Amino acid sequence: DGGITQSPKYLFRKEGQNVTLSCEQNLNHDAMYWYRQDPGQGLRLIYYSQIVNDFQKGDIAEGYSVSREKKESFPLTVTSAQKNPTAFYLCASSIGVLTDTQYFGPGTRLTVL
Amino acid sequence: GENVEQHPSTLSVQEGDSAVIKCTYSDSASNYFPWYKQELGKRPQLIIDIRSNVGEKKDQRIAVTLNKTAKHFSLHITETQPEDSAVYFCATKGGSYIPTFGRGTSLIVHP
Repeated sequence: DGGITQSPKYLFRKEGQNVTLSCEQNLNHDAMYWYRQDPGQGLRLIYYSQIVNDFQKGDIAEGYSVSREKKESFPLTVTSAQKNPTAFYLCASSIGVLTDTQYFGPGTRLTVL
Repeated sequence: GENVEQHPSTLSVQEGDSAVIKCTYSDSASNYFPWYKQELGKRPQLIIDIRSNVGEKKDQRIAVTLNKTAKHFSLHITETQPEDSAVYFCATKGGSYIPTFGRGTSLIVHP
């Protein structure tokens, strides 16, 4: 899991602003995922991508957007349309969607002021 | 879609005791069942997993059991130590190929 990095570790945002969270992996994995973690809620899937230039909505995609222009990178933008963006965001990757094991990044804690 | 329920939400034990966390799922097509450990402020890390063709798997002090008929699987930790204190998540993966996670169990091991 050391091959997945997220930046920044902490992020503060004012209401009404968009903000982009970075996720990079050097594991040569095809599949990448974004999860949101809130206390007592477990991990909820925001978006996932099986391959470059393709991505699919997860369970809570509203107010978020992603891109997958490169295999190594899967940035997440939290838009002003997301009503409760304060949370811990985790990126993950796996060899493929059909492959079992996911590897997680260290996470970004986003706080809206 | 898949529904995964995890119990208990909090588990407090004395050092040396055993801890058991149980998850139930709804999708009969689920065939992969991982368990993750997440320490405070850190990333989830896979600690053990089991596939549907196996009923039990052990790795030192941890074990996972699977009952496909009843659609539940459990994590067992024996001889608990303070460093076992963390949040544990179960997950399933089935026909949709996208994992579904339980809500987590906060395990507290008292010295």
